[in-house]
Parts: sequence; structure tokens; C-alpha cells
Amino acid sequence: EPEVTQTPSHQVTQMGQEVILRCVPISNHLYFYWYRQILGQKVEFLVSFYNNEISEKSEIFDDQFSVERPDGSNFTLKIRSTKLEDSAMYFCASTHDRGRLQGSPLHFGNGTRLTVT
Amino acid sequence: KNQVEQSPQSLIILEGKNCTLQCNYTVSPFSNLRWYKQDTGRGPVSLTIMTFSENTKSNGRYTATLDADTKQSSLHITASQLSDSASYICVVSPSGGSYIPTFGRGTSLIVHP
Repeated sequence: EPEVTQTPSHQVTQMGQEVILRCVPISNHLYFYWYRQILGQKVEFLVSFYNNEISEKSEIFDDQFSVERPDGSNFTLKIRSTKLEDSAMYFCASTHDRGRLQGSPLHFGNGTRLTVT
Repeated sequence: KNQVEQSPQSLIILEGKNCTLQCNYTVSPFSNLRWYKQDTGRGPVSLTIMTFSENTKSNGRYTATLDADTKQSSLHITASQLSDSASYICVVSPSGGSYIPTFGRGTSLIVHP
């Protein structure tokens, strides 16, 4: 079964540094998402992306964050200047449609654990 | 504010027993409700999806129910297995413009032999 793959699995960075988290969504999916989960907390929506532009974003997704689909397969999340509170598990997800239709689950990757020191 | 509350926060059961997890939500207008299973250190995996008109949906030993009037859902696990040990997350999506889902904090289930 096709999977969403994320790299790296663990990223350690110093405060103020830029990081890029990478994702390869399932190939025939059209909608792409980033979520984060701070340790011990619930999953939080960051951004959705469709047709090469952001569809929706949460208040967490401020100017320090950006997303890009640089080619036909990769989907990236960039954090421009990391803060300690950015430490979390970041999940990429994809779906064939926006999930309004029956039987349209989000397929999640296994996440990138970002540690900001 | 849209909220999803899950109970219990954690649950320990013996292998082979059944259990039921609860989800209450305030998301409106409602589009769909999903249950996910999240193993430690992994991404969530979809178990069931229910829309407004559906009362129950099964996926193997997992059966989800939805009461859209009372805004409640449950996930029933039958004949639990050790591999069922995970966090079970209820996610509710709105309709009418925004599709940003609201996640519950999850119920941590531990199945003991």
C-alpha cells in the first residue's frame, strides 16, 4: 500500500536556525497537509496545500513557516528561525480530496521529530 | 470555539476484553468524524470515517457510532489484542468554508496479556 514518507525521522537544530522538513505524499493525492504534535499534547493543524497554493492555515502557521512543492513529488515545510517551542513531532499528510467525501481518509507519514536546543 | 473531548484519558484492559471509548464535540457545522489509531512514535492511521447521516461504521473489530444530535461518538473495540495498545484519536471536521479539523487529545489504551 502506498505510504507518505517523511525525512529526516529526527532533526536536531539550534535555536534561530532554519530547518526544512521533507515529505513525499502518495502519488495520486491532491491535497497536502502539515500537522504538529508537541510531546504529550494533541495533534494540531498547521496548513493545507492544494494546486500549488495554501488553502488554509492555522494561527500557529505564522511568518516563520512556509511550505513548498518544489517538484511533482516533494512537499516541504520550512521553519525560518526556529524557537524552543517549535520542538515537536511534525506530520505530513495527504488525501485525494478534501475529506468531505465519504471514504477519504488522511494518510499520515510517521513524522519528523524536531528538537530545538 | 470548536472542541473535541475524549474520555477516558487512559484505559487498561486485559487481552480479549471489549472496551468503548467516548468522544464529544462542539464542532459546527459538522462535516465528518474520524477515529484514528496512533501507535507510539508513528503517524495516525485512519480507522473509520462517518458523515452526518451515518450512525455506525465498522472496520474489523472496531465499531464507531455517531449521534449527530447529541454530538457524541464512541469507538468500540471487540476482543482486544495486544497490538491494540495505542492512542485513539477522535477528529471532527467542519463544513461550510473551513475544513480545518479539530483533534481530540486521544485515549491511551493499554492491553495487558
